[in-house]
Amino acid sequence: SYELTQPPSVSVSPGQTASITCSGHKLGDKYVSWYQQRPGHSPVMVMFQDSQRPSGIPERFSGSNSENTATLTITGTQAMDEGDYYCLAWDSRTAVFGGGTQLAVL
Amino acid sequence: QVTLRESGPALVKPTQTLTLTCSFSGFALNTRGLCLTWIRQPPGKALEWLARIDWDDDKLYSPSLRSRLNISQDTSKNQVVLTMANMDPADTGTYYCARIFGSGSYHIDYWGPGTLVTVSS
Repeated sequence: SYELTQPPSVSVSPGQTASITCSGHKLGDKYVSWYQQRPGHSPVMVMFQDSQRPSGIPERFSGSNSENTATLTITGTQAMDEGDYYCLAWDSRTAVFGGGTQLAVL
Repeated sequence: QVTLRESGPALVKPTQTLTLTCSFSGFALNTRGLCLTWIRQPPGKALEWLARIDWDDDKLYSPSLRSRLNISQDTSKNQVVLTMANMDPADTGTYYCARIFGSGSYHIDYWGPGTLVTVSS
């Protein structure tokens, strides 16, 4: 079965750049979306089709996807960006989530 | 305005069948490209995809749970129902209903608030 691998945690200082990766076999051939989940809340989409930002998501969020790795980048990270981040891709009519990355803004 | 809301029992016993209902508004599921999906999250763990029903009534299931799941829609009520048979304590978690915009990338653009299901005798 297809798998997506994310680092369990990423730490960043306020104002710095955070990069969260999602790895999978030939992931660059698939569309990846990203979801932010704050504690006690439902996930919110922050990126779709690899690099498209939904309405209402700040410009500091950007995305890329090439070869085997998709990356969500947050430039000028703010305290409000803390939370868990999940990548999602589809493989053979099956949705696959990454294991999630906890972003800490320290 | 798109809204989704999950409903169902908060507590089920092992071996019982869980029935969850997703009531939605602000769109019609028979609109080309739209889908409804169920996702769950055990306490403190990652999201896990369960099933999807498409605008044309195509149905997809998680391979690992396929034998236990059934997804259906009631278009007259704007509801999608998920049943999961033979519940086990390992199935405890928050169950989310969500809308997928399926034109191209199948991304999840709207989520319900989730409903917590506990499996215990």
